[in-house]
Amino acid sequence: DAGVTQSPTHLIKTRGQQVTLRCSPKSGHDTVSWYQQALGQGPQFIFQYYEEEERQRGNFPDRFSGHQFPNYSSELNVNALLLGDSALYLCASSSLLQGTGWEQYFGPGTRLTVT
Amino acid sequence: AQSVTQLGSHVSVSEGALVLLRCNYSSSVPPYLFWYVQYPNQGLQLLLKYTSAATLVKGINGFEAEFKKSETSFHLTKPSAHMSDAAEYFCAVSPSGGYQKVTFGTGTKLQVIP
Repeated sequence: DAGVTQSPTHLIKTRGQQVTLRCSPKSGHDTVSWYQQALGQGPQFIFQYYEEEERQRGNFPDRFSGHQFPNYSSELNVNALLLGDSALYLCASSSLLQGTGWEQYFGPGTRLTVT
Repeated sequence: AQSVTQLGSHVSVSEGALVLLRCNYSSSVPPYLFWYVQYPNQGLQLLLKYTSAATLVKGINGFEAEFKKSETSFHLTKPSAHMSDAAEYFCAVSPSGGYQKVTFGTGTKLQVIP
């Protein structure tokens, strides 16, 4: 059983560019949450998707947007990249339908570097 | 609103010694509490969770934590440290029920000295 997978592993972008990160949840999971982890910090909640809709959002600007597909996979898009967007982006999946939405399984992350 | 405070960004213990990582929480509703471990260049792995059942929770790799409502604490312990325990540990909180926004602490890096 594959766990949570994320692609790409590493990414280097220039200020002002746009980036798309991808996440496939653990088999049987229906909910995907995205987190930003800056160097030396704890993960910060960006948003959560369930039934292809954004259900909760953290304190992130509209430059951060997402999508969830019918197969539960998800994308995180960041527009107009800033140097401060450099971080490890983590995807976590869980199952709200099974009542275990709190049990989040994390992927290995995508390391984004903005130059 | 919820938050967690982890006391000590770096903790060093000798191999075989007790591991104690401190976490205090703040929550306006009954919380769920978690400890995660992160090894270098990896994602987070759930060590253990408190979801309003037993207050003493046992997790993987010999770790355990006790929920103390009166002290708003959820400290992580392990009787005997192993070299493989060296990692960063995050305490986290979420409201029970509903959509689960998890709020993480700033982390404690554990160093195990041989």
